[in-house]
Amino acid sequence: SAVISQKPSRDICQRGTSLTIQCQVDSQVTMMFWYRQQPGQSLTLIATANQGSEATYESGFVIDKFPISRPNLTFSTLTVSNMSPEDSSIYLCSVPGGSETQYFGPGTRLLVL
Amino acid sequence: GNSVTQMEGPVTLSEEAFLTINCTYTATGYPSLFWYVQYPGEGLQLLLKATKADDKGSNKGFEATYRKETTSFHLEKGSVQVSDSAVYFCALSDEGVWETSGSRLTFGEGTQLTVNP
Repeated sequence: SAVISQKPSRDICQRGTSLTIQCQVDSQVTMMFWYRQQPGQSLTLIATANQGSEATYESGFVIDKFPISRPNLTFSTLTVSNMSPEDSSIYLCSVPGGSETQYFGPGTRLLVL
Repeated sequence: GNSVTQMEGPVTLSEEAFLTINCTYTATGYPSLFWYVQYPGEGLQLLLKATKADDKGSNKGFEATYRKETTSFHLEKGSVQVSDSAVYFCALSDEGVWETSGSRLTFGEGTQLTVNP
């Protein structure tokens, strides 16, 4: 199994600012995934981040709003740009496990005022 | 597109009670089905899975059977414990895309379970 850490674990931000979330994995992985969990809703995939290439964004998510970096096989960042209260969510990163499973980080709880 | 619907929560039970959390899905083809659990302050963990019709996934006393005819994957446990208090997510993965995209998991809304002593 993979051990995943995220920083920060939570933050409170002002609207119009940006926050960068870090995801660190204890082993090398090709793919990393970023999800959003809005209050009372299910997890939604934001994008898939492959090392050495541009991230692939899901419908409804754009690079200008959620730029992603993937500098190596154990690390990725997601930036939430020009935040508004609607961006208040839990943001999670994950990596593939075996047999179609995924390992998830503990999440970053973001509140935008 | 794919979708997953879970029973509305929160669910509150007494210790040793029987638990059922309903999950139904809409998908093309034959997706794999999962239950993930999120304990307070922790990340999601895979609880159990089933990859084809009539498969039964089980772990830690929890069970779920892949029912293609009713497109369901209900989670059950015969006797819950306080330590089972968590949020439970039903999910499915797109058939056939695992090798190319790694995963495309579709999650239900999650069901908060609280077990009282």
